[in-house]
Amino acid sequence: ETGVTQTPRHLVMGMTNKKSLKCEQHLGHNAMYWYKQSAKKPLELMFVYNFKEQTENNSVPSRFSPECPNSSHLFLHLHTLQPEDSALYLCASRQRETGELFFGEGSRLTVL
Amino acid sequence: GQSLEQPSEVTAVEGAIVQINCTYQTSGFYGLSWYQQHDGGAPTFLSYNGLDGLEETGRFSSFLSRSDSYGYLLLQELQMKDSASYFCAALLLSGSARQLTFGSGTQLTVLP
Repeated sequence: ETGVTQTPRHLVMGMTNKKSLKCEQHLGHNAMYWYKQSAKKPLELMFVYNFKEQTENNSVPSRFSPECPNSSHLFLHLHTLQPEDSALYLCASRQRETGELFFGEGSRLTVL
Repeated sequence: GQSLEQPSEVTAVEGAIVQINCTYQTSGFYGLSWYQQHDGGAPTFLSYNGLDGLEETGRFSSFLSRSDSYGYLLLQELQMKDSASYFCAALLLSGSARQLTFGSGTQLTVLP
């Protein structure tokens, strides 16, 4: 239990669906991240939020849309995804003093 | 671009010592972290090297040499539960922002 909770844990969607991934942390961290993890590849940074402001968008396609309503919650809205978007999507929050990332267990996404 | 290289797989027996190397080519390098991820689980923080030298935490130690752009994770007295993926991650500074860039991960298999 890392203190970062992601829902849903598993999601199957068609290419025309719209769905959202949710991340929640009550660790008092002000920075939150979305990473994509595909098999045999490095974790890919997608988005960074600091104090609810987006500070990094790592050339992510617009079919992924993040939302950070407050420092404890982070969403990733998904629409018209492609099969190659199937992956594990990990949320993390960062402890400011040490730089340590606390990860959620991820949302396993399958796009049919 | 920013890249970190580490071996894809390592196998060792219980009680042995194993070293997982990581070389990096980055700009704005600030420090090197190591994370452990069991199958189906969240990556969890193991160690951080902000300075050259060895950091020891129980059975795990981590080393950094900035002049060689190289670090390693040393696992001693291996146990079956140490079977997992291990990621090195470079903490990079871009302006006032910090971000972690990950290697592809090393799958460690511990045999009885």
